[in-house]
Amino acid sequence: DTEVTQTPKHLVMGMTNKKSLKCEQHMGHRAMYWYKQKAKKPPELMFVYSYEKLSINESVPSRFSPECPNSSLLNLHLHALQPEDSALYLCASSQKNRDEQFFGPGTRLTVL
Amino acid sequence: SQQGEEDPQALSIQEGENATMNCSYKTSINNLQWYRQNSGRGLVHLILIRSNEREKHSGRLRVTLDTSKKSSSLLITASRAADTASYFCATILFAGGTSYGKLTFGQGTILTVHP
Repeated sequence: DTEVTQTPKHLVMGMTNKKSLKCEQHMGHRAMYWYKQKAKKPPELMFVYSYEKLSINESVPSRFSPECPNSSLLNLHLHALQPEDSALYLCASSQKNRDEQFFGPGTRLTVL
Repeated sequence: SQQGEEDPQALSIQEGENATMNCSYKTSINNLQWYRQNSGRGLVHLILIRSNEREKHSGRLRVTLDTSKKSSSLLITASRAADTASYFCATILFAGGTSYGKLTFGQGTILTVHP
């Protein structure tokens, strides 16, 4: 299995909602990532987990809370988001942090 | 701020022609990678070139790296309509003494290949 899966594909939420994005990989990769991508822009790194520990947090607001329950799963918990947080959220994984990354299809998030 | 700048921002060619995209970056790197993205979907890794390599090939792709000029180029030969996508270069620099690094993407080139 060489795939990174993300659920849901689309998510619409209000500013007072709490929701979670889920990412899963079964390639035995030990590094997992969250990126945010706005329209016509490159992906921007949010978080890096290495061996299930948070190793990089790119000064992301606390309304985004990552969680890595095990080596195959990565969650992004969302709370009290703003309309400007609407974007494509991409998950990726790699064998090690220095290697090529495998991306999921993304979750298209709209915050009303 | 983004590490890489890509040139051109958009490229339109006919099927069968070659497409060349350039990427420049500002700081030292450990490796440089190229990714493709179709219509706002996930990115697909194309090729990784390490800082001590100068050229790499993969199928119809050829990547060069000039660390003295802090630049890289991606050549797609004999392009096909299916190559239509956005192409991003991304650089990584490991934090000193570790294997951790931040992959930083360039602004991307939108390639359109007309049948």
